[in-house]
Amino acid sequence: EAGVAQSPRYKIIEKRQSVAFWCNPISGHATLYWYQQILGQGPKLLIQFQNNGVVDDSQLPKDRFSAERLKGVDSTLKIQPAKLEDSAVYLCASSLGLAETYEQYFGPGTRLTVT
Amino acid sequence: GDSVTQMEGPVTLSEEAFLTINCTYTATGYPSLFWYVQYPGEGLQLLLKATKADDKGSNKGFEATYRKETTSFHLEKGSVQVSDSAVYFCARTDSWGKLQFGAGTQVVVTP
Repeated sequence: EAGVAQSPRYKIIEKRQSVAFWCNPISGHATLYWYQQILGQGPKLLIQFQNNGVVDDSQLPKDRFSAERLKGVDSTLKIQPAKLEDSAVYLCASSLGLAETYEQYFGPGTRLTVT
Repeated sequence: GDSVTQMEGPVTLSEEAFLTINCTYTATGYPSLFWYVQYPGEGLQLLLKATKADDKGSNKGFEATYRKETTSFHLEKGSVQVSDSAVYFCARTDSWGKLQFGAGTQVVVTP
């Protein structure tokens, strides 16, 4: 079974530029998560989708971050404009559903460096 | 608010030593608890989990017991190997399955 796919794996941009990350979850997984992991810290949830609807985006900095999952499968996370403090690894995860006992499977992440 | 606190690293051990990584949590309810591991250059992987009080999760020689009375979920392994060198994250679920992670503990095992 294929795992969670993310691209690109690495991205370097200058501040004030925009960037987009793509995630393809495991087939059949209804729930998709985006996490931000700053160096030396644990991942922090940015947004959670159930199919194509948003369950929780309370931690997403909506003035610069946006995310969508239009067809309930792939998802895109965008940052516009980027700031230096956005340098982090962006992790996508998916699970079968919302129940807390469902395991979340993580992708390899996209490492973003903002200069 | 609710949180997860784990011991700071790095933890440096010799091969075959006993490993303990402390983790405590705060919660208004009864969350599920997890340990995730991140090996060098790899993504996060679930190591073990426990979904209710007194449950013991185990995998690859690692164990952790859900202690409601002490709100703890300490990770233990009796005899570590060099291949266990990684960063270990304790996590708890929030509502609707969202994970809240601790800061991570780096473990370095030397031959």
